[in-house]
Formats: sequence, C-alpha cells, structure tokens
Amino acid sequence: GAVVSQHPSRVICKSGTSVKIECRSLDFQATTMFWYRQFPKQSLMLMATSNEGSKATYEQGVEKDKFLINHASLTLSTLTVTSAHPEDSSFYICSAPGQMNTEAFFGQGTRLTVV
Amino acid sequence: DAKTTQPNSMESNEEEPVHLPCNHSTISGTDYIHWYRQLPSQGPEYVIHGLTSNVNNRMASLAIAEDRKSSTLILHRATLRDAAVYYCILSPRGQTGANNLFFGTGTRLTVIP
Repeated sequence: GAVVSQHPSRVICKSGTSVKIECRSLDFQATTMFWYRQFPKQSLMLMATSNEGSKATYEQGVEKDKFLINHASLTLSTLTVTSAHPEDSSFYICSAPGQMNTEAFFGQGTRLTVV
Repeated sequence: DAKTTQPNSMESNEEEPVHLPCNHSTISGTDYIHWYRQLPSQGPEYVIHGLTSNVNNRMASLAIAEDRKSSTLILHRATLRDAAVYYCILSPRGQTGANNLFFGTGTRLTVIP
C-alpha cells in the first residue's frame, strides 16, 4: 500500500519556539493532505486540509496563524507550530488519500512536547 | 455528519474471532462505512470499507446489516498485534473516503494471550 511518512516522530521544544513537522507521500502524489491532532486518551480531531498550490483550509477553532501549513509539492506538506506553548503538546498526524480516493493513508504521527 | 456508536472497549482471547459492532442509525443512502484502526502511538491504518454488500479482505470482513443501520467488523483470528482502537466512520459518496474523516471514540480492543 501507499506510504505516508512523518518527520520527526518525536520532538521536544521550549515554550515560545517554533516546530516544523513534515509529511511526505513516498510513492504517490497527494494534492491534498490532512492534519489531525490527538490529545491523550482522546480521538483524532481534524485541524486543517492542506492543498497543493493554494491556501490550507482550517477547521473551526484552529488558529491559522499559529499552525502554519505549506503544501510545497505534490509529495510534501509541512505543519509549523509557531510560538509553541505547553498546551500545544499533542500527537500530530497527517494523512493523504490514496489514488483510488477510497481510503486514507496516515503518517506514523509526531509527538510534540512543549516544555 | 452522520454519527456512529461503538462500545468503548472489548476483549478477546488470542486466536478467537472478534466481532466489533457499530451502530449508524442515521446513515444516508450514499454513505460509505469505513473502518480504521490505531495501534498504540501510531497513526491510524485503513482496515476495510463497504456500502451495502459484505466485504472481505486480507485483514478483516465487514458485515453490513440489510437496513444499513449497523455493521460489524470481523477479525477472524485475533492476534496480539490486533490490539488497537477500532474506528467506524461514515463518509458520504462523492467525498473521498480519505476526506473529512470524523473519528469518534472508537472501540479499544484488548487481546488476551
């Protein structure tokens, strides 16, 4: 099956700094990718839809200036958490639809800890 | 979005079949039924999907009620590697199965050796 790779898998940063998370589709192209966030013992929540060549669309309540999304190419989307705070500590997961558009392929997730 | 209802948790003995239920009484005629699972500290992975007919693949089987208001994911022989949270998700036809996935709380499956 198709592979989506996230990097890094784990990151610790200081409060006030920015962190960039990469999401790559390794063997297929993705004009659209999705970013989710998952707090401990909770389910995934869709944050935003990343669109290659255009602006991302954000879900209600997600600050676009804080969570910067750049879909640089057909195989790469990045999420930058700016001015991170401890409450931003979470598990961030990206996904991309497969070529048949019937299933999503997810990255392995990035665990962000802000200290 | 049409909602689904799943038990919070289930247990199964290793090498026995597991039937994971999902209720979706407000499903519309064009909604597909998708199942994903999430192993600990990993992103979700696709398991199976269907519309009306029962479906089989190498991972599992999906049994869909005739009125489509419920479905059951069947793992034929549970292994320890099947311990995960299983999510039943509806996605409207015309939207890809990968778009706008609404993850409910899912069912946490524990497999007992």
